[in-house]
Amino acid sequence: QVQLVESGGGVVQPGRSLRLSCTASGFTFSNYAMHWVRQAPGKGLEWVAIMSYDGSDKYYADSVKGRFTISRDNSENTLYLQMNSLGVEDTAVYYCARGWTAGTGTSCYIWGQGTLVTVSS
Amino acid sequence: EIVLTQSPGTLSLSPGERATLSCRASQSVSSSFLAWYQQKPGQAPRLLIFGTSNRATGIPDRFSGSGSGTDFTLTISRLEPEDFAVYYCQQYGRSPFTFGPGTKVDIK
Repeated sequence: QVQLVESGGGVVQPGRSLRLSCTASGFTFSNYAMHWVRQAPGKGLEWVAIMSYDGSDKYYADSVKGRFTISRDNSENTLYLQMNSLGVEDTAVYYCARGWTAGTGTSCYIWGQGTLVTVSS
Repeated sequence: EIVLTQSPGTLSLSPGERATLSCRASQSVSSSFLAWYQQKPGQAPRLLIFGTSNRATGIPDRFSGSGSGTDFTLTISRLEPEDFAVYYCQQYGRSPFTFGPGTKVDIK
């Protein structure tokens, strides 16, 4: 079945880095754009980043631009989020989500269950 | 950045009633790029509607979306017990692809 599994979350000190992974199965990963979306504890959804099917297009939320980098390895069916210079405001559950289409003008169709990132000293 | 505002913040209704949720954008959004999601406690969000009015796979027809420009609506024709949740709108036509703050539909 179609599935997305996030990993790499955990507790990290402010200013440090963390890399999240999202492993896809049950569909042709290289055919679809992929998103990262986060949700701080008790708060709403915040879109983070998107990458097109081939990695040629990517966009970021203003709150993470210059600190986070989205990437993908289509040979490994995996999406990544490299997070640098983490602050307490980055504490959240991070979800990866598959789009409907290959390009970046797409909603979040299939979601993973999320991985929790806690930034704390 | 396109800011989305959702109203009301909380909607208290009984099963069987009709729910009407509003999403207003600070700038015009192409109707091709407006989505609605449902989220229940402890679960990942689920896509309900994309392109303003298209139901995602497996979504019951009691859910419908409409609107254009800056004003969009999600309607649940008759609330089922499983529909009590938080609903978010999202625009994905212009980066950053912003979400609204959500409307909680709870049991009256």
